[in-house]
Amino acid sequence: EAGVAQSPRYKIIEKRQSVAFWCNPISGHATLYWYQQILGQGPKLLIQFQNNGVVDDSQLPKDRFSAERLKGVDSTLKIQPAKLEDSAVYLCASRTIRRDIQYFGAGTRLSVL
Amino acid sequence: AQSVTQLGSHVSVSEGALVLLRCNYSSSVPPYLFWYVQYPNQGLQLLLKYTSAATLVKGINGFEAEFKKSETSFHLTKPSAHMSDAAEYFCAVSVHAGGTSYGKLTFGQGTILTVHP
Repeated sequence: EAGVAQSPRYKIIEKRQSVAFWCNPISGHATLYWYQQILGQGPKLLIQFQNNGVVDDSQLPKDRFSAERLKGVDSTLKIQPAKLEDSAVYLCASRTIRRDIQYFGAGTRLSVL
Repeated sequence: AQSVTQLGSHVSVSEGALVLLRCNYSSSVPPYLFWYVQYPNQGLQLLLKYTSAATLVKGINGFEAEFKKSETSFHLTKPSAHMSDAAEYFCAVSVHAGGTSYGKLTFGQGTILTVHP
C-alpha cells in the first residue's frame, strides 16, 4: 500500500510570510496527526483529526497555525505569519481505528529566515 | 499525562558490539510503548511496539525491547550492531484508555546512534 505522502519536502520563507503543507494519509486511515519536530527534539503533536473532526489541538498555536481536513482524507497545515522559531520538520502521520500503529510521512522541512 | 525520558542523546558503539538505548516512561494508565527509527531526511519508521501482551518484544532488523513495569523502563537492545543501524531512535508512549487524546504519541528527545567500523 502507498505510504503517507507529504509536500513540499523543503520550504524556505522569510519571517512574517505564510506557508502551507499538504498531507495525504494512507487510504482508509481515519485518524490523521500533524507533528512538529524541532532540531534535536522529539516530535510534538500539534493536532489530531478523526475523519474531518478535530480531536486534540491543545498544542496548536492557534494565533498563527491552522489545519483542516475538509473531506476526511487529505489535510493542510498553514502557518500565518511565520516566526523564526517555526523552523522545524512538520510530520504527518495516519492510523486506522483498529490498529495502534501510526505511519509517518517523510516530512516537510521548513526554514524561516 | 505521560512522558518519556531517553537517557543519552548520543550513543556510540563499534560494529558487532551490543546496542543498548535507554528509555524510561511515566504514565498514569497502562501504557503502550513504541520505538521508532529515523534515518536522515526521512520520516519515522516503527521498530517495535509493546501493547500489554508479552513483555519481551521483538522488532525488525534484530532489535528487541523489554517492558519492565517495576522500573518503568522500555530499553532497546540489539546483540550486534551493524553500520546500517546508524540513525536516530525515538521512544514513545501512548494512551489507549479512551478520552480525546486516544492514540496520541508522546516522544522522548531521541538518541543518535553512531556505529564505528
